[in-house]
Amino acid sequence: DGGITQSPKYLFRKEGQNVTLSCEQNLNHDAMYWYRQDPGQGLRLIYYSQIVNDFQKGDIAEGYSVSREKKESFPLTVTSAQKNPTAFYLCASSLVNSLRSPLHFGNGTRLTVT
Amino acid sequence: DAKTTQPPSMDCAEGRAANLPCNHSTISGNEYVYWYRQIHSQGPQYIIHGLKNNETNEMASLIITEDRKSSTLILPHATLRDTAVYYCTPFRTSYGKLTFGQGTILTVHP
Repeated sequence: DGGITQSPKYLFRKEGQNVTLSCEQNLNHDAMYWYRQDPGQGLRLIYYSQIVNDFQKGDIAEGYSVSREKKESFPLTVTSAQKNPTAFYLCASSLVNSLRSPLHFGNGTRLTVT
Repeated sequence: DAKTTQPPSMDCAEGRAANLPCNHSTISGNEYVYWYRQIHSQGPQYIIHGLKNNETNEMASLIITEDRKSSTLILPHATLRDTAVYYCTPFRTSYGKLTFGQGTILTVHP
């Protein structure tokens, strides 16, 4: 079945360490997105990419980095510069330039930094 | 970007219709209105979207006002499994970016 896979589901790190969250999709979607969700909050956009080797900052990109070397993969690195990294991270994908393309989401990675 | 306003929470009795409102008074002419829902600790799930006509699918109906400043998502026969956070969000087809607000927590009671 097609879908988006995020791994791992839970991740624990010590403060000061960089950590990379995986996101893979087999939907043949062009666009991929990373969102952050804090308790009781809506989703906030971190980065998005509409094509391989190109990506754009979202609303809260500071302290994060991404790469898009393959169409199906869009890993997110949470760097030590991110002041409050503990959160629920969601990856999504969609077709680009399609009037009827909703976002498809993975089931998230819950990151805890202590 | 268009801003949306939704009530923070709503209750509904099982079997009854749930009507979730969304105000998007600054929406522009080429922005669709999308609805998603999120069950605890899972990724959001797409429900329905529309531009200016009312839409219906197997999950829900979407009513958009003629001036497009607001819309209502209707779950015709709510079940306990419909308890979730519901997000209304505008989507610019030329921009490719979707943003979410805080949504409405819908609680369906037995």
